[in-house]
Amino acid sequence: QVQLKETGPDLVQLTQTLSITCTVSGFSLTTYNVHWVRQPPGKGLEWMGAMWNGGGTDYNSAFKSRLSISRDTSKSQVFLKMNSLQTDDTAKYFCARLEGVRGYWGQGVMVTVSS
Amino acid sequence: DIQMTQSPSSLPASLGDRVTITCRASQDIGNYLRWFQQKPGKSPRLMIYGATNLAAGVPSRFSGSRSGSDYSLTINSLESEDMAIYYCLQHNEYPYTFGAGTKLELK
Repeated sequence: QVQLKETGPDLVQLTQTLSITCTVSGFSLTTYNVHWVRQPPGKGLEWMGAMWNGGGTDYNSAFKSRLSISRDTSKSQVFLKMNSLQTDDTAKYFCARLEGVRGYWGQGVMVTVSS
Repeated sequence: DIQMTQSPSSLPASLGDRVTITCRASQDIGNYLRWFQQKPGKSPRLMIYGATNLAAGVPSRFSGSRSGSDYSLTINSLESEDMAIYYCLQHNEYPYTFGAGTKLELK
C-alpha cells in the first residue's frame, strides 16, 4: 500500500540547515508528485514546495531563497533541505501526495529550532 | 499567489447539527479544491476532492459544493468523531495555498 515516511532531526541549531528525507513506498516518484507541507505548533498548514513526477520542482516564494527539494528515484526518496533556520521554522514537516482521488501523508517529523 | 479565505475560524456546534465551512478563492481555481480533516497529533485526512467528490471511506454525511468562487464543506448530522480542524486547499496553480482552518468543536 501507499506509504510516506519522513526522517530527520528533532533539533536543529539556529542558522543551521535542516535536512529531511521522505521515503515512499507503493508508488513511483516518476508517476506522482510529492509535496512538502509544514505546520508550526498550534497553527495551520503551509505548503512549502513540490517535486514533480517529471523531476522539476516548485517552491513557495516565502522559502524560495533557502529551500531546496530533490529526489533519488532509485531509492524512492525525496529530500528537503532548508538553510538559515530561525526559531519560527519550528514546525512539524510533512511529505504528502496531494493530488489524485486519495490523499496520502506521512506522519510528519517535528523539528525544533534551538538557539 | 491565490488567497483562500476560510470562515469561520471557530465553529461551536451540537451533535446532530448541520454545519457549513466556506473557503473563498481570490482567483479562479476551477474545481481544484480539496478539504482535509485534521485531528490533534494526526496527519490531515482527505475528505473532499474536486470540490464536490467524496474521498474513499468518508461518511456520506460530508459533502462539498461550489458557488462561484465560494467553496463549502457541509456536515449533516454532526457526530462526535467529526470534531477536528478542517482546511481547504487550492491546487489549481503553484504555490498551492491552504485556508487558515476551521476548528469544529462541541458547543
